[in-house]
Parts: sequence; structure tokens; C-alpha cells
Amino acid sequence: DIVMTQSPDSLAVSLGERATINCKSSQSVLYTSNNKNYLAWYQQKPGQPPKLLIFWASTRASGVPDRFGGSGSGTDFTLTISSLQAEDVAVYYCQQYYTTPYTFGQGTKLEIK
Amino acid sequence: QVQLVESGGGVVQPGRSLRLSCAASGFTFSSIAMHWVRQAPGKGLEWVAIIWYDGTTKFYADSLKGRFTISRDNAKNTVYLQMNSLRVEDTAVYYCARVDAGDGYKPFDFWGQGTLVTVSS
Repeated sequence: DIVMTQSPDSLAVSLGERATINCKSSQSVLYTSNNKNYLAWYQQKPGQPPKLLIFWASTRASGVPDRFGGSGSGTDFTLTISSLQAEDVAVYYCQQYYTTPYTFGQGTKLEIK
Repeated sequence: QVQLVESGGGVVQPGRSLRLSCAASGFTFSSIAMHWVRQAPGKGLEWVAIIWYDGTTKFYADSLKGRFTISRDNAKNTVYLQMNSLRVEDTAVYYCARVDAGDGYKPFDFWGQGTLVTVSS
């Protein structure tokens, strides 16, 4: 199984500041035949289901504000929120959909400092 | 608009069975692969199973093989999760989620609100 490891487990950032969450996979999720990284980021607010933010490592889902950005390739990925807003308080998960089982990171809890 | 509505959760004793349903609308269900994902109270997300668009291909989390069965009825736009020999550690909110593809190799773009399964004596 591909193990997804996020860091940090929790993060407190001031409003308007940058938040960075890292995700590392135990093996590459880059499919070389199409040069796509099978890596997604989800946001989950309390009492709600997860919401897709980023897919193919760097493509924003429909309606996601452009302050959310994804980067990385192979085994190392980053979710960046360029200017933290109050509504961004949530738990963030990375996930690989390269192969079954489709594994998630353990989650990163983002709070306001 | 896309809607996924789970049902069938509740309180069940260890060793018993339960069947969850997820009713889909707002898209061509018969063309889309569907997943079940669960989340134990206060914990992270755990992928459970996937069924491809036509029901011919299914994959499961290794830890659940033999106890859980995913199925679908494309005429009813519904995906199911049959859970047998339930254990206390199966207590979780169970979500269904779709991918915008017939197979599984895309992100989970829509999720239901979830249904809570509590396994307790």
C-alpha cells in the first residue's frame, strides 16, 4: 500500500499569512505515460463531508479560491494557502488515487493564530 | 446538481449485519464509479471500497475483505455497502463519493453527507 504522510499534524497561522502543508507518499504517484500526479487535496470542516480542493497535484477544483495552490511531483507535494481567511479553518487531507487502496494522509488541522 | 444521499446507518450489535445505501442524482450514474469512505469519530478518512460503473470490477481495503461487499443497481441509481460480522472498530460515519470516470483513477469530486454506523453491545 502507498502510505501518505502529512506534516505538520496541526498548524496555527495568522489571518492573511501563508499556510503550508506537506504530503509525502511512500512511492511515486506520477504516472509517466501521461505525466500526471495522481494526488488530491481535500478540505473538511467540522460536521461536513470532505470537499475536493486540488487534483492532479496542482489543478484547483471548480469554485475553489485561487489562494489555494498545490505543487509537487513524484512523492513530495505541498498545499499552500497564500493568505489565510477565517473560513479556511479545517482539516486538510492529501490522497493518492494512483492505485488501490486509495490512501489518505492522516490530516492536518489548520487553525487561526 | 449532483446529490448523494446515504441511508441505512444506525446502532447495531457486534457480529450483526447492516446494509448502507447511497442514492445518486444529477448525473449519469451508470457511467460513474462509486466509492465508500469511512471516518471513525475524531479520526481521519479511510477508503473502504470502489465499484466501477458497470459493477464488474470492485476493490476493497485489505482490512475489510470478506466482511464488506459493495454493489450497485444502475436502474435505481443506488450503490450499496453490505457490512457483515460488524466489529466495534467499524463504528464510523460512512460516506459515499463519486469520481468523474467509469473507473477509479480520478479524485473524489462529490461526497454525500454520510451516515453514522455505531457498533455497540
